[in-house]
Parts: sequence; structure tokens; C-alpha cells
Amino acid sequence: DVKVTQSSRYLVKRTGEKVFLECVQDMDHENMFWYRQDPGLGLRLIYFSYDVKMKEKGDIPEGYSVSREKKERFSLILESASTNQTSMYLCASSADRGTDTQYFGPGTRLTVL
Amino acid sequence: AQSVTQPDIHITVSEGASLELRCNYSYGATPYLFWYVQSPGQGLQLLLKYFSGDTLVQGIKGFEAEFKRSQSSFNLRKPSVHWSDAAEYFCAVGAENYGQNFVFGPGTRLSVLP
Repeated sequence: DVKVTQSSRYLVKRTGEKVFLECVQDMDHENMFWYRQDPGLGLRLIYFSYDVKMKEKGDIPEGYSVSREKKERFSLILESASTNQTSMYLCASSADRGTDTQYFGPGTRLTVL
Repeated sequence: AQSVTQPDIHITVSEGASLELRCNYSYGATPYLFWYVQSPGQGLQLLLKYFSGDTLVQGIKGFEAEFKRSQSSFNLRKPSVHWSDAAEYFCAVGAENYGQNFVFGPGTRLSVLP
């Protein structure tokens, strides 16, 4: 069975802290994605990666960075967390970035105080 | 680039009633269309998808969707709703053009009355 896991379900951080969100997939997928989900806005793409060490900005990359050192792992980094980054963060992976099913992790609900 | 609208923010139906959730897309070529469901506090799970062929697509949990090119729609239906169907539903449009990603609609929250 397909599996995407995220390191934390709930996270509480303080303004200015550096935050790491980890995502691991076991499907050998080339493509991995980080989305942010806010009520009424649906899912907005932050960053995605189409290969190890390769990344591209999505629609809302400001304030975020990513790292993909291994194929199965994709990390989202908030260099200096701010209160407006309080949100649900969803990781996904797929075999093809534009046409194939994306498989999602359970999400991390991040609160920045 | 493609875009997706889901006109209904929140829908309430009684258990056993039929359901239709609307999705309209904008895309110049043949779209790749998906419906996902998100239960409270969970990630998204694929219900069904359409790439080509038969325009009526069957999915999991008794859901189906119909692709209507003339109306740029991909509405999700279920003949009889169960209380466990209460969730948020997202329509998404993919694209085969290089460099384009999925676009998700804003979602429709479904409440089910006993």
C-alpha cells in the first residue's frame, strides 16, 4: 500500500524559530510536493521537487525553503517562523507532476505563537 | 494555466439523500481531472480520476463523476449519502504540458444530517 508519512501531526513553535517539516514516501516517486492548506483557499503549492537535489518554486514560496537529499525524503524549512505561517501543511508525491495521482501524507498542523 | 472553481463552499444533506458537488475548470487542452476527499484532521484521499475515454467515472465509496467538456465541468455524485461521507471534497485539474502542476479548487465542505 502507498505510504506518505510526515514527521509530526501537530507542532507548536514560537515566532523566529527555525522549523523543519519532514516527509517520507515509499513509492519511489520522482516528484514530491509541499502544500499549504487554509480555509477557503484550498491547497496552495509552496515548493515541489522533481528529482533529488532539484526543486522549483510553487505559488507561495516566500518564507520557505526545501531540501531533497534523498529520493524518498522531502523537507520543508521555515527559516524564521512567523504567525502568518500558522497553517496545515500537506506533503504529496506522484510519479508524474502534472498528470498522475498525488498521494498525500496526513498533514502537519503548525501553530506559530 | 488551468484553474478550478467549486461554487459551493458548504453543503448539507440528509443521510440517504443524493449528492452532487460541482466542479468547473478552465484549461485549453484535455484536462486530467481528480476528486479528493479529506476527512477531519487527515490528508487527502483520491476518490476518482478522469484522463480519457468514458466520461462517467466510477470511484471508491460509491462515488461517480461525469466529465462534460461542453460545460467544462466534472461534478461528483453519490446516490445515497452516508454519515461517514461528511468531509471536505476537493476537485483538482492536472495538465500534461511540461512545467504545469496540479491546481486544486477551494473545496466543498459536506455536512450530513442524521
